[in-house]
Amino acid sequence: GNSVTQMEGPVTLSEEAFLTINCTYTATGYPSLFWYVQYPGEGLQLLLKATKADDKGSNKGFEATYRKETTSFHLEKGSVQVSDSAVYFCALRDNYGQNFVFGPGTRLSVLP
Amino acid sequence: DVKVTQSSRYLVKRTGEKVFLECVQDMDHENMFWYRQDPGLGLRLIYFSYDVKMKEKGDIPEGYSVSREKKERFSLILESASTNQTSMYLCAVTTGTLSNQPQHFGDGTRLSIL
Repeated sequence: GNSVTQMEGPVTLSEEAFLTINCTYTATGYPSLFWYVQYPGEGLQLLLKATKADDKGSNKGFEATYRKETTSFHLEKGSVQVSDSAVYFCALRDNYGQNFVFGPGTRLSVLP
Repeated sequence: DVKVTQSSRYLVKRTGEKVFLECVQDMDHENMFWYRQDPGLGLRLIYFSYDVKMKEKGDIPEGYSVSREKKERFSLILESASTNQTSMYLCAVTTGTLSNQPQHFGDGTRLSIL
């Protein structure tokens, strides 16, 4: 079946550091890929998405590129801020079903 | 974007009580979902619905039921609450059937069963 794997957290960085959160997936066909962010005490918010190979999703300084050859969708940001502290979830939706598959989430803490 | 509203942010109930968690969307989308979120376990799908009066079991339906009498409202029911159902519950709506369409979430209900 479909699955999503994310790097283990928590990840702790200093402000202005470079961020990478790894995400790899297993799926049949050509899924769409998503990153969600969850701030403390809130639900999940869509951060960015990519729907086909080599697509790059971007939002709020975050980027992720759909790499079909490595089945990966790593999240990156060049310079993190304290306000980026949150839990980040990688997710996929395949072409055949209506459901989503989420990774376990990676907690990011950014220190001033 | 669709707005997803969960009726309570925090809820405290007692073991054995029947508990209702409500979720309402402000548009006319068919697909609605209930998840629970626990530390170290991520999001787990409890039930989902593709239309009024339709429901499908997710990965962990035991101890739960759902109701969808109107398209905009999807209720999660804990028939007889137990302490192991203490969790964060998230409702989500998918805006269409195409794979490139994301899910939109409510703010969650943090439920404590004493």
